[in-house]
Amino acid sequence: KAGVTQTPRYLIKTRGQQVTLSCSPISGHRSVSWYQQTPGQGLQFLFEYFSETQRNKGNFPGRFSGRQFSNSRSEMNVSTLELGDSALYLCASSGNDRVGEQYFGPGTRLTVT
Amino acid sequence: GNSVTQMEGPVTLSEEAFLTINCTYTATGYPSLFWYVQYPGEGLQLLLKATKADDKGSNKGFEATYRKETTSFHLEKGSVQVSDSAVYFCALYTGGFKTIFGAGTRLFVKA
Repeated sequence: KAGVTQTPRYLIKTRGQQVTLSCSPISGHRSVSWYQQTPGQGLQFLFEYFSETQRNKGNFPGRFSGRQFSNSRSEMNVSTLELGDSALYLCASSGNDRVGEQYFGPGTRLTVT
Repeated sequence: GNSVTQMEGPVTLSEEAFLTINCTYTATGYPSLFWYVQYPGEGLQLLLKATKADDKGSNKGFEATYRKETTSFHLEKGSVQVSDSAVYFCALYTGGFKTIFGAGTRLFVKA
């Protein structure tokens, strides 16, 4: 089975721009979660989607949004980028019968200049 | 609220040394507990898990036992290798479609 894939792997953006990151879960997995990882804050939960519905959301400003498509692929969008948004963004998928057991992609490294 | 506390790193060991990384948790209900590992430049990988009290998770020589009485899930390995150098994360899941991660503990193993 192919693992979780994320595109792009690296991205450089300027303050004020917006960015869209993509995640394809493991085939058959319908739950997709997104995390922001930084050296100072560690791993912080952004949101979780299942069957195109957001079931939980972390404590991030409204500039961070996401969505899931009918094929379970997910995207997250960050608008009006700030320097502090520079981070590794990780996507993880879970099977229906293994809730909590997550399989991570390699991440997208976002640098905001 | 639910939380996970891990020992601060970095932990530096010589090859073949015994490893313990402490993890304690606070949770309502009966969480499932996990250890994940992150190698440089990669995402996290599930290392092992335990879903109820006294369960022992094991994988690749690593072990952890779910201790409800001490709310702990310490990671151990009898003989570490240089290839075990990575960041290790303890995590819990109590429902609500959100996994709670600890801050991570960096392990360096010297040859």
